[in-house]
Amino acid sequence: KNQVEQSPQSLIILEGKNCTLQCNYTVSPFSNLRWYKQDTGRGPVSLTIMTFSENTKSNGRYTATLDADTKQSSLHITASQLSDSASYICVVGPWGAGSYQLTFGKGTKLSVIP
Amino acid sequence: NAGVTQTPKFRVLKTGQSMTLLCAQDMNHEYMYWYRQDPGMGLRLIHYSVGEGTTAKGEVPDGYNVSRLKKQNFLLGLESAAPSQTSVYFCASSYSSGTGGKDTQYFGPGTRLTVL
Repeated sequence: KNQVEQSPQSLIILEGKNCTLQCNYTVSPFSNLRWYKQDTGRGPVSLTIMTFSENTKSNGRYTATLDADTKQSSLHITASQLSDSASYICVVGPWGAGSYQLTFGKGTKLSVIP
Repeated sequence: NAGVTQTPKFRVLKTGQSMTLLCAQDMNHEYMYWYRQDPGMGLRLIHYSVGEGTTAKGEVPDGYNVSRLKKQNFLLGLESAAPSQTSVYFCASSYSSGTGGKDTQYFGPGTRLTVL
């Protein structure tokens, strides 16, 4: 069964600090990996989408990396802000399948404190 | 552009009651999806639609029905609500199915449903 595991479950950091969130997946064959940000009480918002041939993708202070060989991805947040407090969800799509066959991770809850 | 909107935002039902959740998108997207999000679990796909007049089952379709009579609307129905259907429901839409991984799903704000 396809699985997406995220770590840590939760994280607290000081404003201005950097952090890295991890995602391991067992989806095979693999096609693409997405990171979403979900604010409390809101729907997820796409941060990055990477295909199997891409190693890194940036969106402002967010940088996602992908190692398709080890089936690992990370999301690095630089110079964190209070508005970065949210859940970050890793989502993986299998090869040859549509976006109705995505596997969602449980998310990492990030709290940025002053 | 409102994006993806959902109504209602909150609802409390008694076991056995029925209701319909409405999703609307103004981006002219072909694909629409209904997910549920439960504590400690990732989002799970209930039903989806690849175009007006077509629907298909997702991972957890039991107890739900859907309709896509108009391209911009996707309705999710609960015929006889059960406590196990207490959840937050999200609608999403995308321009394509993204078999190449290049699509983006745009999510609505969610409907928080409690079944007593």
